[in-house]
Amino acid sequence: QVQLVQSGAEVKKPGSSVKVSCKASGGTFSSYTISWVRQAPGQGLEWMGRIIPIIGIANYAQKFQGRVTITADKSTSTAYMELSSLRSEDTAVYYCARTVVVVASMDVWGQGTTVTVSS
Amino acid sequence: EIVLTQSPGTLSLSPGERATLSCRASQNVSSSYLAWYQQKPGQAPRLLIYGASSRATGIPDRFSGSGSGTDFTLTISRLEPEDFAVYYCQQYGSSLITFGQGTRLEIK
Repeated sequence: QVQLVQSGAEVKKPGSSVKVSCKASGGTFSSYTISWVRQAPGQGLEWMGRIIPIIGIANYAQKFQGRVTITADKSTSTAYMELSSLRSEDTAVYYCARTVVVVASMDVWGQGTTVTVSS
Repeated sequence: EIVLTQSPGTLSLSPGERATLSCRASQNVSSSYLAWYQQKPGQAPRLLIYGASSRATGIPDRFSGSGSGTDFTLTISRLEPEDFAVYYCQQYGSSLITFGQGTRLEIK
């Protein structure tokens, strides 16, 4: 049974960057994509982008284009999401989720990583 | 980008009642690419329905999904106390994923 284990909480200054990791435990990334979804306090779910780990191709929501980079290391079954030029509005819980390609639904989720942006 | 609009924003019902949640898309969505999630406070979302009408592993049969084109529905036939949560629809199209804003299902 695959689990996605994310890195721990981060506190960052405005203008800096954050990199969150997501490691597949008990399985690999094969045949799946990994999406990143964030949730600001009291708000809904917001898709940021996804990566196809076996070929390393990522695509992003327009809102985050130029500010987010999603990568994957097949050898360690770990995906990464880096968000730059942080501002207070980026304070949120960031989730990775395994996305089943043929139906594009997210069947396994990480536990979430809280990123707080504060001066 | 396809925009998903969920209604109502909040639904107040009692255990044992039937819940009907709506998700309307701004453009046609392939039924293969419409999913529903449940989220409880402090938890990650949980996949309920994929492909518009297929239940995910371990999801009770009181949950059902239907619809096509631009109108989709999640129905909970008989509410259990653990069903009170926030529900999101999600679609995939043109390599992009979007979520609805959510429907909060609360105990009346």
